[in-house]
Amino acid sequence: SQQGEEDPQALSIQEGENATMNCSYKTSINNLQWYRQNSGRGLVHLILIRSNEREKHSGRLRVTLDTSKKSSSLLITASRAADTASYFCATVTEYGNKLVFGAGTILRVKS
Amino acid sequence: GAGVSQSPRYKVAKRGQDVALRCDPISGHVSLFWYQQALGQGPEFLTYFQNEAQLDKSGLPSDRFFAERPEGSVSTLKIQRTQQEDSAVYLCASSQTRTYNEQFFGPGTRLTVL
Repeated sequence: SQQGEEDPQALSIQEGENATMNCSYKTSINNLQWYRQNSGRGLVHLILIRSNEREKHSGRLRVTLDTSKKSSSLLITASRAADTASYFCATVTEYGNKLVFGAGTILRVKS
Repeated sequence: GAGVSQSPRYKVAKRGQDVALRCDPISGHVSLFWYQQALGQGPEFLTYFQNEAQLDKSGLPSDRFFAERPEGSVSTLKIQRTQQEDSAVYLCASSQTRTYNEQFFGPGTRLTVL
């Protein structure tokens, strides 16, 4: 079964706008990761945030983590049509190596 | 360099047939994972290898599913007596170290059981 939930399930925005996706999880974690999946392509790792970190940036991506609320958010700034994809959060627990994925958010960026 | 490769990319099987899915991880990666992704869902963990040792197979849905990585490199996921509910994309991922790091995914094998 999946670790948690992401919202929204789907998001449609105009090119240039910011996109925010949220993820909630259930158990204690070692780290939380975000992945992108384009149609017909495999999953691509975007960013990893450890349980002792609160915020992390990578290019146009900003990730926050609130371990007290067991939640994370992914912000994509100045979105582009090429950002159209499904975005998944995945957690790694303190005791295991496997990724436990959420159901994902489908992002559509209209040009 | 080369990423994770999987073969075949597409497989159609009749119900009851056995199938074998292959994964070539990134050279030198210690950890190898198999995931199953149903349509519209996130991937779900099947099994994990550290070198040739299968350390976690808690996600395998039934004893019809079997995975191996005999020399600590290439891995094969075998499904015996396939059922329609086995239809999904099977993803393989590898990781450089033993624990906690990002995983590199292959393109997946789309299995359709008729």
